[in-house]
Amino acid sequence: DTGVSQDPRHKITKRGQNVTFRCDPISEHNRLYWYRQTLGQGPEFLTYFQNEAQLEKSRLLSDRFSAERPKGSFSTLEIQRTEQGDSAMYLCASSVRQPNEKLFFGSGTQLSVL
Amino acid sequence: AQSVTQLGSHVSVSEGALVLLRCNYSSSVPPYLFWYVQYPNQGLQLLLKYTSAATLVKGINGFEAEFKKSETSFHLTKPSAHMSDAAEYFCAVTSNSGYSTLTFGKGTMLLVSP
Repeated sequence: DTGVSQDPRHKITKRGQNVTFRCDPISEHNRLYWYRQTLGQGPEFLTYFQNEAQLEKSRLLSDRFSAERPKGSFSTLEIQRTEQGDSAMYLCASSVRQPNEKLFFGSGTQLSVL
Repeated sequence: AQSVTQLGSHVSVSEGALVLLRCNYSSSVPPYLFWYVQYPNQGLQLLLKYTSAATLVKGINGFEAEFKKSETSFHLTKPSAHMSDAAEYFCAVTSNSGYSTLTFGKGTMLLVSP
């Protein structure tokens, strides 16, 4: 168990640029979640995958955001035409489907939009 | 709709003193409640989880929380604080038993002084 891995740890970009983040879940975990955390706030749910299927998206996930999980393994979160309001920590979590589901969170990708 | 309110953005205690972190929830259906801890530069880690089995839930590192439906509360306690408990603590709620689209509170930073 190597834990949930996120890359990069930090990303600085200029407004209007596109960025992509990657999450590698724990290998046997079929569920994957993306959350966003802004300064002084708790994490906010963005989207959820079971295997390769994206089953739920928050209304926070505007059309500029897209997430994929090809083959049910790693996931990517892309933000197009970044805005300063997108600056946040983007957290990935994974789990297995079981009666007492436990999420394992990665350390996150800190995005700064200048 | 569901929400979580954590009273106090910062709580300071002395080492060896009682830790009490407050959480009140709002949910239209029976909730599942969680406490997570976040250490600097690390991912969120589950402390404990309430799933309607027992109202007093014991977690890791000596923490416990009591579900009180009449008060819509799920306060986190630890009898004796340790320096290593200094971290940010998040209360979270979901009404979905199938998967973990959590609604988090804003967090409480626990400061422990010698």
